[in-house]
Amino acid sequence: DAKTTQPNSMESNEEEPVHLPCNHSTISGTDYIHWYRQLPSQGPEYVIHGLTSNVNNRMASLAIAEDRKSSTLILHRATLRDAAVYYCIPPNNNDMRFGAGTRLTVKP
Amino acid sequence: GAVVSQHPSWVICKSGTSVKIECRSLDFQATTMFWYRQFPKQSLMLMATSNEGSKATYEQGVEKDKFLINHASLTLSTLTVTSAHPEDSSFYICSARDSTRSYGYTFGSGTRLTVV
Repeated sequence: DAKTTQPNSMESNEEEPVHLPCNHSTISGTDYIHWYRQLPSQGPEYVIHGLTSNVNNRMASLAIAEDRKSSTLILHRATLRDAAVYYCIPPNNNDMRFGAGTRLTVKP
Repeated sequence: GAVVSQHPSWVICKSGTSVKIECRSLDFQATTMFWYRQFPKQSLMLMATSNEGSKATYEQGVEKDKFLINHASLTLSTLTVTSAHPEDSSFYICSARDSTRSYGYTFGSGTRLTVV
């Protein structure tokens, strides 16, 4: 079964920041935290990953709690193209089961 | 880098026939690939883990004789839906990991299967 907990849905206004939370309390010490997103009728695409430190890339930022039991994906300025289902996944021994994810709606 | 090609992107078949879906890692070798099924408005459901040169590991409730998986090379895994029925209509997605990296998986673009 999935080892993550995310809100089912979130809404944001265009051009505003979005904070997508994820709880992964059973993560092991060496597992990376990955975030993917899935646009309609497409396969998931990689967004960002991290281990302990906060991470930034051109798509988003990832804030990881000190105890690593939770993380937050930050979209600094949401656009309509960011509307998607966002999944956080802590792969454990190649366990790539997905949770329900968070459906992000971006309003113009 | 780390591109996964999935083919076909969509297919329509008649009940009782078989359909093969291919998943190729184009620029890396993948000892492990994953196959998922996704129904509308639902999350991805892991069907099986495909291991190069050995038998796939199926999730509980997934019929191995109906969903045949072959991972004969380090760049190709195939999923064959045998004797397809309308309830098999779904979005099938594969993923693979570049074993030279310690993180990250790449997903195919998915195959929309419609059984009529």
